[in-house]
Amino acid sequence: EVQLVESGGVVVQPGGSLRLSCAASGFTFDDHTMHWVRQAPGKGLEWVSLVSWDGGSTYYADSVKGRFTISRDNSKNSLYLQMNSLRTEDTALYYCASAMSSYMDVWGKGTTVTVSS
Amino acid sequence: QSVLTQPPSASGTPGQRVTISCSGSSSNIGGNTINWYQQLPGTAPKLLIYINDQRPSGVPDRFSGSKSGTSASLAISGLQSGDEADYYCAAWDDSLNGYVFGTGTKVTVL
Repeated sequence: EVQLVESGGVVVQPGGSLRLSCAASGFTFDDHTMHWVRQAPGKGLEWVSLVSWDGGSTYYADSVKGRFTISRDNSKNSLYLQMNSLRTEDTALYYCASAMSSYMDVWGKGTTVTVSS
Repeated sequence: QSVLTQPPSASGTPGQRVTISCSGSSSNIGGNTINWYQQLPGTAPKLLIYINDQRPSGVPDRFSGSKSGTSASLAISGLQSGDEADYYCAAWDDSLNGYVFGTGTKVTVL
């Protein structure tokens, strides 16, 4: 079964750091570009970042550029998001998604990040 | 604030046809393919339409997509209660060098 499982979401104080993980199974992980997408409570979807199949190219939304770092370990079929200098507006459900081309065809169920003092 | 604009809501009675618009610019819809995602209440988004008008396996042909210039549309025909969800358009934006989602449209079956 094709599956993505996110983990690492917790409650963290403003200014803090956190690393999210996404474990992939059931498909050839290193054939796929990987994305992080977030959804603040009651709000729409916001794209966060993507990493190419080999980790050689990364892209970020302006809202997280310079604070978040996306990476992957193809030997572990895993995707990561290092989140630094967290702000209250980073509070959201974070999804990882895989993409063979320009579209995200498989999504995880998400992990919740809450930034609050 | 998203660069892809959708109406906040759409509705119809069972069996009716509903259309959702997505308006963008030359840097996103105008120059790249558009995709649509369906998010049922309390669940993760699901790919509904890809590359403008293609349906993934398992998506009923009641759902169809189209694109013209800097706009796109999603049509749902034969509306069913199970279609109540939020729908998002999305595309790569060459100016932002990033992926952008639409503002989202909540579909209600009356």
